Amino acid sequence: QKEVEQNSGPLSVPEGAIASLNCTYSDRGSQSFFWYRQYSGKSPELIMFIYSNGDKEDGRFTAQLNKASQYVSLLIRDSQPSDSATYLCAVERIGNKLVFGAGTILRVKS
Amino acid sequence: GAVVSQHPSRVICKSGTSVKIECRSLDFQATTMFWYRQFPKKSLMLMATSNEGSKATYEQGVEKDKFLINHASLTLSTLTVTSAHPEDSSFYICSARATRKSKGEQYFGPGTRLTVT
Repeated sequence: QKEVEQNSGPLSVPEGAIASLNCTYSDRGSQSFFWYRQYSGKSPELIMFIYSNGDKEDGRFTAQLNKASQYVSLLIRDSQPSDSATYLCAVERIGNKLVFGAGTILRVKS
Repeated sequence: GAVVSQHPSRVICKSGTSVKIECRSLDFQATTMFWYRQFPKKSLMLMATSNEGSKATYEQGVEKDKFLINHASLTLSTLTVTSAHPEDSSFYICSARATRKSKGEQYFGPGTRLTVT
């Protein structure tokens, strides 16, 4: 079992819809969770981080964390073509290292 | 958000030469920086953790004598790829952990694309 798992996609949504990206992790002791966006040929950009169970909202983005189910998700409301990218889920482990999932490709079609 | 720079953004070198890549945190102090490499259509692979004033910690399978890391100050870490070979061609990305910000999230530099001919 991989430490952080994501569906590789691609996930295709129409412009204006809600995109839902999911991530599961194996280490029950994990405390910090991050979502990064990576455009092709570019480095990752931090979008959201979450530490407590529940929802955290920032603009069009909502991160959701359920530690009991070892599940973290990212919702993107009113999806735009510019949101088309690979979304990386990351979990922090000992030594402040981030373990990344393989990423989910999101395609927003206009 | 915090800004991390990398230099150079692209480099082409001949096999057998060494290449140095710089990573700087511009508006915050980073006691810890990380070096990753990424192959096309693959996820990030952590190479090493760089701590200011101490030796870097390398991940399993990463040759420390080939990938020399120096973290001379709270805002600068360097990665030197020694005796580069074509298989070292990759996208190298650094990140800095903002320990004085809210929860220590990592911010990435723009990356350095290395091509070894």
